[in-house]
Amino acid sequence: NAGVTQTPKFQVLKTGQSMTLQCAQDMNHEYMSWYRQDPGMGLRLIHYSVGAGITDQGEVPNGYNVSRSTTEDFPLRLLSAAPSQTSVYFCASSYRQIGSYEQYFGPGTRLTVT
Amino acid sequence: AQSVSQHNHHVILSEAASLELGCNYSYGGTVNLFWYVQYPGQHLQLLLKYFSGDPLVKGIKGFEAEFIKSKFSFNLRKPSVQWSDTAEYFCAVKPNSGGYQKVTFGTGTKLQVIP
Repeated sequence: NAGVTQTPKFQVLKTGQSMTLQCAQDMNHEYMSWYRQDPGMGLRLIHYSVGAGITDQGEVPNGYNVSRSTTEDFPLRLLSAAPSQTSVYFCASSYRQIGSYEQYFGPGTRLTVT
Repeated sequence: AQSVSQHNHHVILSEAASLELGCNYSYGGTVNLFWYVQYPGQHLQLLLKYFSGDPLVKGIKGFEAEFIKSKFSFNLRKPSVQWSDTAEYFCAVKPNSGGYQKVTFGTGTKLQVIP
């Protein structure tokens, strides 16, 4: 299994540009999440999905959109990039079963907005 | 909503020293607790987790953590650190109930082990 994969690994955007961060998992996990990691702030939840066709907002959803058309894929869209979105973005997935629920993380995308 | 506090932001130890990283959480109900590790340039990996039962949890690479419910704490320990333990460590908490429950992460502790 490849686990959780993310592309690209690095990206530089200009203010106002849009882009999509890709995330895919091959473990048939129901739950998928997007986090951003900023120095001194840990990981903050942006959006999450409990299954194909179902998404919801996390702590810091503004400026981001998600969709989940398949179990495997969970892309994150930046609509109009801003310098405040400079961060490292991690995608994670997990099973839904009660009593388990460890998250598997992708390698991350380091985004710089100038 | 739950919250997590990691008191030590940066810890420097010599090899073979003992390690204890503090983690406290706030939540009114039962919780699941996790410690994740992020080695330089890598993604987060699970070190250990607590769901129920024995409050002393053993994880990978000789790490362990003790859940003390009365203190809302889940401190991470290792008796003798190695240079390869240099990493950032995150404590996380999730309400233990059905459905999707958001995982809340602490701000992380950077551990630097000096050879």
